[in-house]
Amino acid sequence: EAGVTQFPSHSVIEKGQTVTLRCDPISGHDNLYWYRRVMGKEIKFLLHFVKESKQDESGMPNNRFLAERTGGTYSTLKVQPAELEDSGVYFCASSQSHFTNEQFFGPGTRLTVL
Amino acid sequence: QKEVEQNSGPLSVPEGAIASLNCTYSDRGSQSFFWYRQYSGKSPELIMSIYSNGDKEDGRFTAQLNKASQYVSLLIRDSQPSDSATYLCAVMTDSNYQLIWGAGTKLIIKP
Repeated sequence: EAGVTQFPSHSVIEKGQTVTLRCDPISGHDNLYWYRRVMGKEIKFLLHFVKESKQDESGMPNNRFLAERTGGTYSTLKVQPAELEDSGVYFCASSQSHFTNEQFFGPGTRLTVL
Repeated sequence: QKEVEQNSGPLSVPEGAIASLNCTYSDRGSQSFFWYRQYSGKSPELIMSIYSNGDKEDGRFTAQLNKASQYVSLLIRDSQPSDSATYLCAVMTDSNYQLIWGAGTKLIIKP
């Protein structure tokens, strides 16, 4: 069974540019999460999808971040316009059900904003 | 403010010994507890989950939970050099499905 995949693995952009990160969850997992780790800090929750619906987006830092999950399959996280403080590693995770809610992580996308 | 605390380490343990990793949390509404292992430059890998007080064993790993003391620990028996990694404690409340993370403990197993 394929795990969670993320694309790209690395992205380097200039301040003010737009970047779109993609996550493909484990097949059959309805729950999809985005997290971010800024250097030197703990991993922080961004948002949670159940199928195509946003269940919880309380961790989204501001309206420069837009997440979508078309058709309840893969998800994208767009940052527009990017700022220096957006640099970090963006992780996607998926889980099969709320009962155990064991979340399995993708390899992450390292975003560097110059 | 919800908080999960771990000693950052590094914790150095000789090969073959027991490594003991600890985590405390502040939200008494926390219901689910997870230990993840993260190798440098890699993503967190789930190694244990625990939901009720007591011990849960899986191979060389034992998770221990004490909700009254708001304390969760991970024991690694017969430590191997391949166990050297950062161990992250993550906690979830019953009000949402966010994982609240500790900063991680760096574990070094010395041959």
